[in-house]
Amino acid sequence: GAGVSQTPSNKVTEKGKYVELRCDPISGHTALYWYRQSLGQGPEFLIYFQGTGAADDSGLPNDRFFAVRPEGSVSTLKIQRTERGDSAVYLCASSPNLAGGRDEQFFGPGTRLTVL
Amino acid sequence: AQKITQTQPGMFVQEKEAVTLDCTYDTSDPSYGLFWYKQPSSGEMIFLIYQGSYDQQNATEGRYSLNFQKARKSANLVISASQLGDSAMYFCAMRGVSGGYNKLIFGAGTRLAVHP
Repeated sequence: GAGVSQTPSNKVTEKGKYVELRCDPISGHTALYWYRQSLGQGPEFLIYFQGTGAADDSGLPNDRFFAVRPEGSVSTLKIQRTERGDSAVYLCASSPNLAGGRDEQFFGPGTRLTVL
Repeated sequence: AQKITQTQPGMFVQEKEAVTLDCTYDTSDPSYGLFWYKQPSSGEMIFLIYQGSYDQQNATEGRYSLNFQKARKSANLVISASQLGDSAMYFCAMRGVSGGYNKLIFGAGTRLAVHP
């Protein structure tokens, strides 16, 4: 079966522009996560969706970042007025939201965002 | 607050030998889960192994085993019979009750190089 897909794979934009990053999770997975990975670091949590609602957005760095998942499947991460510090790989993951703790997260290949 | 520490920025191992990648964690949660992920140069995070805090036995998945020492708050990954394809970044991560038991907290990672 298909894994998590993310588009675009690479995005180059200019400072101040608006960007949208898309994530298509594994079919049937109710939980969806966005992480950001800066060079040489581990991924950092941004936001978690359970179904259509954002259950935890505590990792969003500021109000320039926003994410939606209107139909409980595909999600879009939106960044307004991009800054050079937003340059990173944005990773999306999904999980079946199993009880018991293991609930493995399956990651997509990421979108590499470069803000010039 | 939850924290993962990986003190080895880089490790080298000879092909077919075993290697241990260190991970220590800090949490006050009574229940938590520990994960190891592999990230090859392609960028995708690949799940390797899971250990629940109440699991009585150390987890094993093929050539991967987790040396879980709860009192010392360590969860070291052991890779037996290393292969050239094991060369990658390895991340330790945890998830706990205080984080809503959904978001993963990652360490900074260890880069493993397997030499022929």
